Amino acid sequence: KNEVEQSPQNLTAQEGEFITINCSYSVGISALHWLQQHPGGGIVSLFMLSSGKKKHGRLIATINIQEKHSSLHITASHPRDSAVYICAFLSYNTDKLIFGTGTRLQVFP
Amino acid sequence: EAQVTQNPRYLITVTGKKLTVTCSQNMNHEYMSWYRQDPGLGLRQIYYSMNVEVTDKGDVPEGYKVSRKEKRNFPLILESPSPNQTSLYFCASSFLEAFTDTQYFGPGTRLTVL
Repeated sequence: KNEVEQSPQNLTAQEGEFITINCSYSVGISALHWLQQHPGGGIVSLFMLSSGKKKHGRLIATINIQEKHSSLHITASHPRDSAVYICAFLSYNTDKLIFGTGTRLQVFP
Repeated sequence: EAQVTQNPRYLITVTGKKLTVTCSQNMNHEYMSWYRQDPGLGLRQIYYSMNVEVTDKGDVPEGYKVSRKEKRNFPLILESPSPNQTSLYFCASSFLEAFTDTQYFGPGTRLTVL
């Protein structure tokens, strides 16, 4: 079984729509990160969370450690949200860094 | 401004010609690391450093070297580049070890080895 699965792989939305991106994992972790990779290639760290929920502007990240699942939500999506969103974490089972393969989001006006 | 810088941003070279990609951070971070990103494979860690003079291999270290002589700098060295090292490379830093703390990424270096 893959240690991490992100869904969907690709997502197209109209401006204003509510977006949800999912990350499921199978190993023990202490914290999960959501990264945003812009079309130009640069990577920005959006959230690091180990429990509950965090909010930054229109972005909300949630994690359920027991269910080994995290979601990234974007409210009132905008074309500038178009990017690849990647979940990542350190597995304390293997002490190995694991990255999701990313969700490519395109938001059209 | 807090930042991680990488140079060069783009590089086209030929097989076997030694090259160095520089990485520098101005946040006094102890942890620095290098990643490569390839289509379909995502990000993979090459090398990391917990502090000055302390480096260790990541998942894909073959064909790469690093050094950490100063806290702020963490260059990536390809002694004899090969076409399979064509990739997008990112340097990142944080106060604490990998992904136990917020990561700050450099802008990326797109390397093509002919």
